[in-house]
Amino acid sequence: DTEVTQTPKHLVMGMTNKKSLKCEQHMGHRAMYWYKQKAKKPPELMFVYSYEKLSINESVPSRFSPECPNSSLLNLHLHALQPEDSALYLCASSQERALYEQYFGPGTRLTVT
Amino acid sequence: AQKITQTQPGMFVQEKEAVTLDCTYDTSDQSYGLFWYKQPSSGEMIFLIYQGSYDEQNATEGRYSLNFQKARKSANLVISASQLGDSAMYFCAMREVEDTGTASKLTFGTGTRLQVTL
Repeated sequence: DTEVTQTPKHLVMGMTNKKSLKCEQHMGHRAMYWYKQKAKKPPELMFVYSYEKLSINESVPSRFSPECPNSSLLNLHLHALQPEDSALYLCASSQERALYEQYFGPGTRLTVT
Repeated sequence: AQKITQTQPGMFVQEKEAVTLDCTYDTSDQSYGLFWYKQPSSGEMIFLIYQGSYDEQNATEGRYSLNFQKARKSANLVISASQLGDSAMYFCAMREVEDTGTASKLTFGTGTRLQVTL
């Protein structure tokens, strides 16, 4: 099973709302990732968790707050977002060794109004 | 810093024909990995093929093959016998290993949109 699931598929939120994106994998992967993808652009890395610890933060604004409650789950908490944060948010996971490919989920399409 | 270049914003190919999508890269690392991903309009990134910098043979996965020319720093994707379902955005990516070696960063190219026609 090479499936990464993400919920919700679509999310519309106002600039004062608080919401969360959820990502789950059951492949035993120990590294999990959040990417942001604007229309017609490649994905851009936001965060990397390795063994449930934040390993990489690509200077993401604090209105995005990641959380890794256990090795299978990855959340992205959203607060006070701006309209320019509207994008496709992709979650990915990979095996503990860095040699292997990352498997992506279907993404959450976020619209900030 | 690593860099990936895809110079073809869009490509057309007729069904059943082969097509080559170009990718060049720049890195000072000796050990690196190159990946190709397919992204249909639904949004999901689908892993296609991987080539390690020390692999002597070109990678193949079904209808996909990677033409790896290390000296020229190119890693072109060849899709044989194109199908209508191959219409999608294709991204070339390079792996950078973070310091502890337990996670990797992918740097993506700008992508090539492939349209398969009848």
